[in-house]
Amino acid sequence: RKEVEQDPGPFNVPEGATVAFNCTYSNSASQSFFWYRQDCRKEPKLLMSVYSSGNEDGRFTAQLNRASQYISLLIRDSKLSDSATYLCVVAYTGGFKTIFGAGTRLFVKA
Amino acid sequence: DAMVIQNPRYQVTQFGKPVTLSCSQTLNHNVMYWYQQKSSQAPKLLFHYYDKDFNNEADTPDNFQSRRPNTSFCFLDIRSPGLGDAAMYLCATSLFQGTQYFGPGTRLTVL
Repeated sequence: RKEVEQDPGPFNVPEGATVAFNCTYSNSASQSFFWYRQDCRKEPKLLMSVYSSGNEDGRFTAQLNRASQYISLLIRDSKLSDSATYLCVVAYTGGFKTIFGAGTRLFVKA
Repeated sequence: DAMVIQNPRYQVTQFGKPVTLSCSQTLNHNVMYWYQQKSSQAPKLLFHYYDKDFNNEADTPDNFQSRRPNTSFCFLDIRSPGLGDAAMYLCATSLFQGTQYFGPGTRLTVL
């Protein structure tokens, strides 16, 4: 079993739709959680950190469920420019051991 | 602008011919990381430097080595590249355990 698992998708949604991704992690010692965005053939870029209380940044909402060991990302009012791969990232004690999920691909269509 | 720079962006090498990839940063971050990412796969952490302290992941092959001569630069050496080492190599930096900032990557082709 992979340490961090994501549905690879692809998710094909129309503009304006709401879409949600989940990510599960296997190591309960995980301490920090992030969502990164990666465009085709580009480097990953931080989208947002995920806090225990949940957090929101504009159209993006991230939540953490430690009991069930998953994190989620909700995108509201999808834009064409949201088309990308979304990577779930889990960091362990000390923060340097980071495990990436393989990503969920999103296509937003006009 | 402060940034993470990787050179070259594209590298072609022959099977078994040593190759060195370069990463530099102007962020003055104390931690630098090297990741390997193959097509449609997750970036995989190879090793990281915390200041001068080198930390190798347990499953990183001995074929991969790294050097960090100063705060700004970090090198990835692949001693004898195999066909399976063809991938995107990503350098990242962070200030302590903070957010990691990635360079644009070097795409390695092994012939």
